[in-house]
Amino acid sequence: DADVTQTPRNRITKTGKRIMLECSQTKGHDRMYWYRQDPGLGLRLIYYSFDVKDINKGEISDGYSVSRQAQAKFSLSLESAIPNQTALYFCATSDSRTSGANVLTFGAGSRLTVL
Amino acid sequence: AQSVTQPDIHITVSEGASLELRCNYSYGATPYLFWYVQSPGQGLQLLLKYFSGDTLVQGIKGFEAEFKRSQSSFNLRKPSVHWSDAAEYFCAVGVRSNQFYFGTGTSLTVIP
Repeated sequence: DADVTQTPRNRITKTGKRIMLECSQTKGHDRMYWYRQDPGLGLRLIYYSFDVKDINKGEISDGYSVSRQAQAKFSLSLESAIPNQTALYFCATSDSRTSGANVLTFGAGSRLTVL
Repeated sequence: AQSVTQPDIHITVSEGASLELRCNYSYGATPYLFWYVQSPGQGLQLLLKYFSGDTLVQGIKGFEAEFKRSQSSFNLRKPSVHWSDAAEYFCAVGVRSNQFYFGTGTSLTVIP
């Protein structure tokens, strides 16, 4: 099984629908992140969480919300999806207890299409 | 503001040829530096990282990268490319241990 699991892997939805992308990890890492990948733009940070009670906005948080249900689970919600939220979404984790900088471990991605 | 620049959007090389992917960053201090690879349909996999010390770092799959402080660069190299290296490559910097900034990626095509 993958260390960082994202569900669903692919989702097609309609404008205005509520969507939740889920992420779970078995690495025991305390930090979790949601990124969005668009062609030509690289990865941009949506939200990050350092522990269950800590949620922080990233550079593109508008239109998104998150929930850290447990140390191992971090979900991303689009309350009312719009077409420009069509993208590939990645969950990532890192461990603050390691020496030096955190290294991100990524899930396989969730491709979301909003029609 | 911090930024990461990968000037080459797409590179094509012949199998067996050498490869260099460029990365420049903008940050006041020396950041932590990373190269990730993304194969089609996959997540990002860490190739190598630089935190401090020896400026030439070795990674997986035969890749290496050199940190040049004077040029604010962290270029990725491989002496002989294999067809399986075709993928998208991302340079990233980590600052203040919790913020990561990614470049826009370089897509690598390998021709027989």
